[in-house]
Amino acid sequence: DGGITQSPKYLFRKEGQNVTLSCEQNLNHDAMYWYRQDPGQGLRLIYYSQIVNDFQKGDIAEGYSVSREKKESFPLTVTSAQKNPTAFYLCASSPGLGGKLFFGSGTQLSVL
Amino acid sequence: EDQVTQSPEALRLQEGESSSLNCSYTVSGLRGLFWYRQDPGKGPEFLFTLYSAGEEKEKERLKATLTKKESFLHITAPKPEDSATYLCAVRGGGSEKLVFGKGTKLTVNP
Repeated sequence: DGGITQSPKYLFRKEGQNVTLSCEQNLNHDAMYWYRQDPGQGLRLIYYSQIVNDFQKGDIAEGYSVSREKKESFPLTVTSAQKNPTAFYLCASSPGLGGKLFFGSGTQLSVL
Repeated sequence: EDQVTQSPEALRLQEGESSSLNCSYTVSGLRGLFWYRQDPGKGPEFLFTLYSAGEEKEKERLKATLTKKESFLHITAPKPEDSATYLCAVRGGGSEKLVFGKGTKLTVNP
């Protein structure tokens, strides 16, 4: 079945550590996105990519980095510069920018 | 700046008790209003896209409507399995990005 796979489901970060969240899609979508979700808050856009080897900052990019080396993959690295990383992270894709989003099942990141 | 406000924040209904969720928006040139359903610990699931005032879409017990300032998600005779958080998002004419509201948490008691 086509879809978006996020891994791991749960992730723990030690202080000063960088961690990487995986996102893979087999929908042949051009655009991919990373959102952060905090309790009681709307989804906030971290980074998005319209095409391989190109990506743009969203509204809360500080302390995060991404790469888009393959159309199917859009990993997110939470760096040690992100001082409040505990949140639910959602990856999404769409056929083109601004269209209907298809979401993965999310990764819950917590700080040890 | 595009903005989305959802109300109420939380809603409790008895099974079979119909109601509506509200999504008020401010955008320059609406290019799409999206409704999603999200279960706890999972990613949002797409429900509807609406593009112009007067448009309506239905799926089972859910019906979404759109005016120039707001959208309603009507739930008719809800069942406990309709319990979830419902998210609204808009895309304005000047942006490639969706702006999400904070959601309405719906609980349907048997």
